[in-house]
Amino acid sequence: EVQLVESGGGLVQPGRSLKLSCAASGFTFSNYYMAWVRQAPTKGLEWVASITNSGGSTYYRDSVKGRFTISRDNAKSTLYLQMDSLRSEDTATYYCTRDYYSSYIYWGQGVMVTVSS
Amino acid sequence: DVVLTQSPATLSVTPGERISLSCRASESVDTYLHWYQQKPNESPRLLIKYASQSISGIPSRFSGSGSGTDFTLSINGVELEDLSIYYCQQGNSLPYTFGAGTKLELK
Repeated sequence: EVQLVESGGGLVQPGRSLKLSCAASGFTFSNYYMAWVRQAPTKGLEWVASITNSGGSTYYRDSVKGRFTISRDNAKSTLYLQMDSLRSEDTATYYCTRDYYSSYIYWGQGVMVTVSS
Repeated sequence: DVVLTQSPATLSVTPGERISLSCRASESVDTYLHWYQQKPNESPRLLIKYASQSISGIPSRFSGSGSGTDFTLSINGVELEDLSIYYCQQGNSLPYTFGAGTKLELK
C-alpha cells in the first residue's frame, strides 16, 4: 500500500524557515517524480514544486522560486521542502504527492504551515 | 500560466440525476487534464486522468471527456457521497494549475 506521510509543519514567524519532510513507502521511491501541492485555508489547490526521480531537475512556481527548495533522499525514500523567507501568503496545508506524468494519484494527509507573528 | 475556469461554481443536485461539470482552459492543454474530488478535511482524490482515462477503484459513474480547451466531468447518477468539491488540473505546461473548483451541494 502506497503511503505518504508529511511532517515538519507548524507556526513560524514571517521571514523564518521551516523544512517539511514526506516519508514514502509501498513503492519504489526512486522511480517516481514527486511534488508538493498546497492549499490555503478555504482556498483551492496550488502546485508548488516538482522534482525528477533522480533529483537532478527541480521546478517551482514563481512565487516560491528562490525561497523554497525541493529535494529528495532516495536511500531514505523521503521528499523534502525547505522553505525560507516565509510570508503570510505561504500559510497553507502542504501535500506531498506522487507525480505520474503530471497527474497526482497518491497524496499524503497534509501538513499545516502557519506563517504569523 | 494556463488559467482553468470551472463552471458552475456551485451546483445543486438531486440524488440519482446525471450532471456535468465544465473546465475550460485559456489555451490548449491537449488531453493533459485531470479531475480530483476533495471532501472536507480530506486530501484530494484523483478521479479521471488525461481527460477521459478511468482510475482503478473509482466508481464507474464518473467519466470525463474533452480535449484542447474544453473538458467535462460527468457523474451518471449522483449519490450523496459525491457531495464535495471537484477540481480540474492541467499538466501540459508548467506551472501546473488547478481550477477554482465546483462545489456539489444537495438541492
